[in-house]
Amino acid sequence: DSGVTQTPKHLITATGQRVTLRCSPRSGDLSVYWYQQSLDQGLQFLIQYYNGEERAKGNILERFSAQQFPDLHSELNLSSLELGDSALYFCASREDRVNGELFFGEGSRLTVL
Amino acid sequence: AQSVSQHNHHVILSEAASLELGCNYSYGGTVNLFWYVQYPGQHLQLLLKYFSGDPLVKGIKGFEAEFIKSKFSFNLRKPSVQWSDTAEYFCAVTASGGYNKLIFGAGTRLAVHP
Repeated sequence: DSGVTQTPKHLITATGQRVTLRCSPRSGDLSVYWYQQSLDQGLQFLIQYYNGEERAKGNILERFSAQQFPDLHSELNLSSLELGDSALYFCASREDRVNGELFFGEGSRLTVL
Repeated sequence: AQSVSQHNHHVILSEAASLELGCNYSYGGTVNLFWYVQYPGQHLQLLLKYFSGDPLVKGIKGFEAEFIKSKFSFNLRKPSVQWSDTAEYFCAVTASGGYNKLIFGAGTRLAVHP
């Protein structure tokens, strides 16, 4: 158990819909990272937050957005879903020190039909 | 921009065989390097990491990796694999210092046959 909690574990929805994925980081970790893992794209960095502020952006589509709340949990919002958005979405939190280790959650598997 | 290249997408070995997975990165500055493992149906777990110092890094479960700066490489090795090593292995790089994003390679699927 990494200490990072993601919900839901599985989600099936239809094209055009919107979903929200939730991540609770390890206690004390201020950084949250979101990654998308798909068969054709591998593990792609989406976005990073640190203590509520966006820190870095990767290959995140405009249809996707994220935020980190004062209690440090984070949500990834995916809208106007397309078949190609089907993937495993991982959240990771990072030890709050320079070069701290990333700890990954078990992921949320999204299936868009 | 940082990038990571893993040379082998699929590797099949018999138990007790030696393993070496290639990883090359592209980045002009000082980097931190990682190998993560993802067992079937599980989340990514850290195998080992390199920040500075001895370029030969030992990790969990008998794995080790060698950082060769001149070759921009960080290959993963294990002298004798077991069936339980069947998993996907990811090399990752981040710019040193701060809270920088981790960039992953495409991964290598390892299948170990008894």
